[in-house]
Amino acid sequence: EAGVAQSPRYKIIEKRQSVAFWCNPISGHATLYWYQQILGQGPKLLIQFQNNGVVDDSQLPKDRFSAERLKGVDSTLKIQPAKLEDSAVYLCASSLAGPGANVLTFGAGSRLTVL
Amino acid sequence: SQQGEEDPQALSIQEGENATMNCSYKTSINNLQWYRQNSGRGLVHLILIRSNEREKHSGRLRVTLDTSKKSSSLLITASRAADTASYFCVLLPGSARQLTFGSGTQLTVLP
Repeated sequence: EAGVAQSPRYKIIEKRQSVAFWCNPISGHATLYWYQQILGQGPKLLIQFQNNGVVDDSQLPKDRFSAERLKGVDSTLKIQPAKLEDSAVYLCASSLAGPGANVLTFGAGSRLTVL
Repeated sequence: SQQGEEDPQALSIQEGENATMNCSYKTSINNLQWYRQNSGRGLVHLILIRSNEREKHSGRLRVTLDTSKKSSSLLITASRAADTASYFCVLLPGSARQLTFGSGTQLTVLP
C-alpha cells in the first residue's frame, strides 16, 4: 500500500513569512495527526483529526498555526507568521482508528528552516 | 508528565552485541509502543504491548512491560549497523486519547 505522502520535503523561509504543509494519509485511515519534532527531541503532537473533525488540538499554537482536513482525507498545516522557534520537522501520521487500537504510520516529514 | 523517559539517552555497541533500552513512566497506560527513527526510513512502528501483556517478541526484538514498576524495556539481539537509530517509547495514557513520545535513546551500532 502507498504510504503517507507529505510535501514539501524542505522549506526555508524568513521569520514572519507564512508556510503551508500538505499531507495525504493512507487510504482508509480515519485518524490523521500532525507532529512537530525539534532537533534532538521526540515528536510533539500538534493536532489530531478523526475523519474531518478535530479530536485534540490542545498543543497547537493557535495564534499562528492552523490546520484543516477537508473531506476527511488530505490535510494542510499552516504557519503564519513563522517564528525562529518554528524551525523543526513537521510529521504527518495516520492510523485506522484511535491510537488505542492501532499504530501510526508516519510520512517522511517536512523540514522547515526559519531564518 | 504523561510521557515516557528513555534510558540511556545514548548507547554505543559493537555489531553482534545486544542492545537494551529502558522506558519509565508515571501514569497508568492502555498500551506502550516502541518506534524507531533513522534518516533512511523515517519514523517506523516496531512493536505494541498492551497493559495486560508482560512480554512480546518480533524477530530480533523483545519487549517487556512491568506495570507495577511502570517500566518497559526493548532488547535488540545480534545488533546490526542498520539498527543505528533513535528509539522512542510511546505511551497511550489511560486517561488520554493521544500518543505521547519520549525524547528517545540514540543507538549507535559500530561495524
